[in-house]
Amino acid sequence: DTGVSQDPRHKITKRGQNVTFRCDPISEHNRLYWYRQTLGQGPEFLTYFQNEAQLEKSRLLSDRFSAERPKGSFSTLEIQRTEQGDSAMYLCASSLPLGTASYEQYFGPGTRLTVT
Amino acid sequence: AQKVTQAQTEISVVEKEDVTLDCVYETRDTTYYLFWYKQPPSGELVFLIRRNSFDEQNEISGRYSWNFQKSTSSFNFTITASQVVDSAVYFCALRGGGGADGLTFGKGTHLIIQP
Repeated sequence: DTGVSQDPRHKITKRGQNVTFRCDPISEHNRLYWYRQTLGQGPEFLTYFQNEAQLEKSRLLSDRFSAERPKGSFSTLEIQRTEQGDSAMYLCASSLPLGTASYEQYFGPGTRLTVT
Repeated sequence: AQKVTQAQTEISVVEKEDVTLDCVYETRDTTYYLFWYKQPPSGELVFLIRRNSFDEQNEISGRYSWNFQKSTSSFNFTITASQVVDSAVYFCALRGGGGADGLTFGKGTHLIIQP
């Protein structure tokens, strides 16, 4: 069984540049989530999709952030005009819907973003 | 608003000791879901257990056990006969039942098992 994969694993960028991350969920999972984790903190929820529909966005998701899941499979998270405060680990997770026997979220290895 | 509190920032024990990680949660939802995840030094979050608010049975899985008490809003995690491989950061997380699907995580407890 292939787990959640994320690409790239590391990204270093200069302030003001745009970056895009990709997440491939577990194949049978129709729900996909993005989280951000900074050093010494727990993950913070950003947004989630059910199939291709973006159903929930956190207040943490500023206008510079946009996420897509065009065909209900992989997802991309783009950050425009990066700031040093965007430096963090960006985590993707996927799950089956609530009500199924196994609705827990499974996480990928994350993309570590460093903004210089 | 939902909140998860893991008051223990770091715990250090000697191998083979038992250790309990505390988790206290706050939610206004009557239906909710609790989770524990392990984050080893490699960084990837590993799912350990889930529990529904309407199922207060405690659970044991090998050396791991979980004590869910709605009366005190706690979902504590005990490792019996700890091993060096248990060293990691452990997170407790909460999902409400009101349609919001994102997890609310605590700040985590860094568990260090010394040989």
